[in-house]
Amino acid sequence: DAGVTQSPTHLIKTRGQQVTLRCSPISGHKSVSWYQQVLGQGPQFIFQYYEKEERGRGNFPDRFSARQFPNYSSELNVNALLLGDSALYLCASSSTGTSQRQFFGPGTRLTVL
Amino acid sequence: QQQVKQSPQSLIVQKGGISIINCAYENTAFDYFPWYQQFPGKGPALLIAIRPDVSEKKEGRFTISFNKSAKQFSLHIMDSQPGDSATYFCAARATNFGNEKLTFGTGTRLTIIP
Repeated sequence: DAGVTQSPTHLIKTRGQQVTLRCSPISGHKSVSWYQQVLGQGPQFIFQYYEKEERGRGNFPDRFSARQFPNYSSELNVNALLLGDSALYLCASSSTGTSQRQFFGPGTRLTVL
Repeated sequence: QQQVKQSPQSLIVQKGGISIINCAYENTAFDYFPWYQQFPGKGPALLIAIRPDVSEKKEGRFTISFNKSAKQFSLHIMDSQPGDSATYFCAARATNFGNEKLTFGTGTRLTIIP
């Protein structure tokens, strides 16, 4: 079975631009969470979606938004990019909204110049 | 109160030795404590996890020890191997309105030397 997949692998943007990151969960998983991992730090929770509904939101500005589609894939959008948004963006999926086991994808490396 | 404090920041262990990484938390609502292993350029991979009603869990060479009264938990890697060289993160989750938010520690870079 395929694991969590994310696209693109790498992305370079300039300040002020907008970016969309994509995530496909493990087949059968209905919950998707997004995390930001700045170099040298642990992942920070951004959003969780379950059955297309937002279940949780971390301490991130409104420039960050997300959605989940009927096939349970998800997109993370970041507007008005700042240098500080440079990070590895991780998607994690689980089978239910309260599953203990979250499986992470390889991430999208975003560089903002 | 949501923080998970992890130590040490880096650790060097000889092959065959025991690697020990420690974490501490304050939020008593945390009810699930996983450990993740991350290699460079990869996403974190779930290694082992424990719930607070258990004091120890062992899976192969990996053991979690949990001290609920001290609000501390640790990862022990027995017979450490060069392939164990990676960054390890402890994490904690509070079930809150069905939210799966994981709060991660700052990570420990483990290096196993021959």
